Amino acid sequence: GQQVMQIPQYQHVQEGEDFTTYCNSSTTLSNIQWYKQRPGGHPVFLIQLVKSGEVKKQKRLTFQFGEAKKNSSLHITATQTTDVGTYFCAGASNSGYALNFGKGTSLLVTP
Amino acid sequence: ETGVTQTPRHLVMGMTNKKSLKCEQHLGHNAMYWYKQSAKKPLELMFVYNFKEQTENNSVPSRFSPECPNSSHLFLHLHTLQPEDSALYLCASSGGLAGLTDTQYFGPGTRLTVL
Repeated sequence: GQQVMQIPQYQHVQEGEDFTTYCNSSTTLSNIQWYKQRPGGHPVFLIQLVKSGEVKKQKRLTFQFGEAKKNSSLHITATQTTDVGTYFCAGASNSGYALNFGKGTSLLVTP
Repeated sequence: ETGVTQTPRHLVMGMTNKKSLKCEQHLGHNAMYWYKQSAKKPLELMFVYNFKEQTENNSVPSRFSPECPNSSHLFLHLHTLQPEDSALYLCASSGGLAGLTDTQYFGPGTRLTVL
């Protein structure tokens, strides 16, 4: 079945440094979604990418979908303490099954 | 608020107890989900209901029993749980034309502790 792998599992950065998390699927995806979960909170939808090679930006966050629609990345420029949390990617296939979530990358930002 | 509510927010139960978790969505969605989130295995999908019909059961032990009486409500009935079942149980819903691959909206979760 479809598997979504996410790396790294943890990342600790100083405030102002950049951060990137990567997501890879064993199969071609119809779309990929990114979610953020703050400590003590629940996952909240950030964005969805659908097109091959698509790039979307949300302020300091840049999301990319690979040309083969099997991988994706989330890059945060100049991290802030408010970026702390776990970032999950979730892949969707055309098989009719529900989203397949990666294990997430936990980001810690120290001032 | 995301339009998905869960009760109770916290639950402590013994291994012989029977309890139920409740989820309600006010978004007009057709699909609802139960996830288990623990430190060791983040976001394990347990059950999926689409138009009130169960479409996925990811090898969940029978001590967890889901119920979906309508598209807005989802229950998770618990009985004879084990301490390793202690976790955050998240409910989510999705809808729209993309069906099960559409954006998911999560509730706040129920923090379950099994003694």
